[in-house]
Amino acid sequence: DSGVTQTPKHLITATGQRVTLRCSPRSGDLSVYWYQQSLDQGLQFLIQYYNGEERAKGNILERFSAQQFPDLHSELNLSSLELGDSALYFCASSGYTHPSGNTIYFGEGSWLTVV
Amino acid sequence: DQQVKQNSPSLSVQEGRISILNCDYTNSMFDYFLWYKKYPAEGPTFLISISSIKDKNEDGRFTVFLNKSAKHLSLHIVPSQPGDSAVYFCAASAAGNTPLVFGKGTRLSVIA
Repeated sequence: DSGVTQTPKHLITATGQRVTLRCSPRSGDLSVYWYQQSLDQGLQFLIQYYNGEERAKGNILERFSAQQFPDLHSELNLSSLELGDSALYFCASSGYTHPSGNTIYFGEGSWLTVV
Repeated sequence: DQQVKQNSPSLSVQEGRISILNCDYTNSMFDYFLWYKKYPAEGPTFLISISSIKDKNEDGRFTVFLNKSAKHLSLHIVPSQPGDSAVYFCAASAAGNTPLVFGKGTRLSVIA
């Protein structure tokens, strides 16, 4: 158990709809990351928040948005969903930053299926 | 443009033998490297890391080697066990609290 909690674990929704994925980081971790894993793809970085502020942005579509709340939990909002958005969405968190980089800890993921 | 590449999608090894998983990177700013292991229906789990000031880091059966001049790292698992069967992701980051960049993974199958 990494200590990172994601809900829901599974979600099926129709094209054009909007969903919200939720993540609670490990206790004390200030950074939250969102990654997407599609079929045959690696883990694609979407966005990072640090203590409530957006820190880095990756390959996140304009239809997607995220935020981190004062209690440090984060939400990823996916709107105008398309079939190609079907994927595993992982949240990860990190605390201590190694001088050269950081180790992040993943939740179990939210499996989104768009039909 | 893939900055972290795992060129072998899959690898099969007999139980008890050594498993060697390889990873190449292109970004010379990367100085911290990690390996994650992922079982089906679970999130990736941190396995081992190495910073650029080292060329080897060992943790039990797992050893990571870093060759900075070749921009190459490898993960050695010895002896391999059936429970090691999983997808292994290589990841890298630049200095500071920057997001990790992942490879596409190598599926390891350890055959009893």
